[in-house]
Amino acid sequence: DSGVTQTPKHLITATGQRVTLRCSPRSGDLSVYWYQQSLDQGLQFLIQYYNGEERAKGNILERFSAQQFPDLHSELNLSSLELGDSALYFCASSVFLAGGRDTQYFGPGTRLTVL
Amino acid sequence: AQTVTQSQPEMSVQEAETVTLSCTYDTSENNYYLFWYKQPPSRQMILVIRQEAYKQQNATENRFSVNFQKAAKSFSLKISDSQLGDTAMYFCAFMKIDTGRRALTFGSGTRLQVQP
Repeated sequence: DSGVTQTPKHLITATGQRVTLRCSPRSGDLSVYWYQQSLDQGLQFLIQYYNGEERAKGNILERFSAQQFPDLHSELNLSSLELGDSALYFCASSVFLAGGRDTQYFGPGTRLTVL
Repeated sequence: AQTVTQSQPEMSVQEAETVTLSCTYDTSENNYYLFWYKQPPSRQMILVIRQEAYKQQNATENRFSVNFQKAAKSFSLKISDSQLGDTAMYFCAFMKIDTGRRALTFGSGTRLQVQP
């Protein structure tokens, strides 16, 4: 158990719908990262937050958005869902040490299926 | 942009034997970190080992060790005394050291099967 929690574990929805994935980082970790794992694209970085502020963006679609709240939990919002959005979505967290010496610990993932 | 290449989609090894997984990367950066993550059938991503690019000494963690060749941009993972529990997907990952950005760039993975 990494200490990172994600809910829900599984999500099945229809095209065009909107869903919210939730992540609670490890105690003491200030930075949260979202990754997408799909058969087509492999593991891709989506977005990073640090202490409530967006720090970096990767290959995140405009239909997707995220935020990190004052209690440091994060939510990833996916809207106008398409079949191709079906994937495993991981949240990771890290302390965010100077010089990049921190390690990202991954949650168990949320399996999203779009029908 | 950085790229990470894992040229072995699948590998198989007998229990108790040694296996080496390959990883190469392309970057113009001088300071970075490299990682190997393991993803067993449970789908959980588990850190196996990490290597700081500024360190010449290869990292080791129990049965896991790396061969880091900075000039060749190569970062292979050696698993000694393979165990059935080592059966998993293994991902090599790169992280540029930046003041703010800490994104991991992953390779496509190597599926390792440990045979009894």
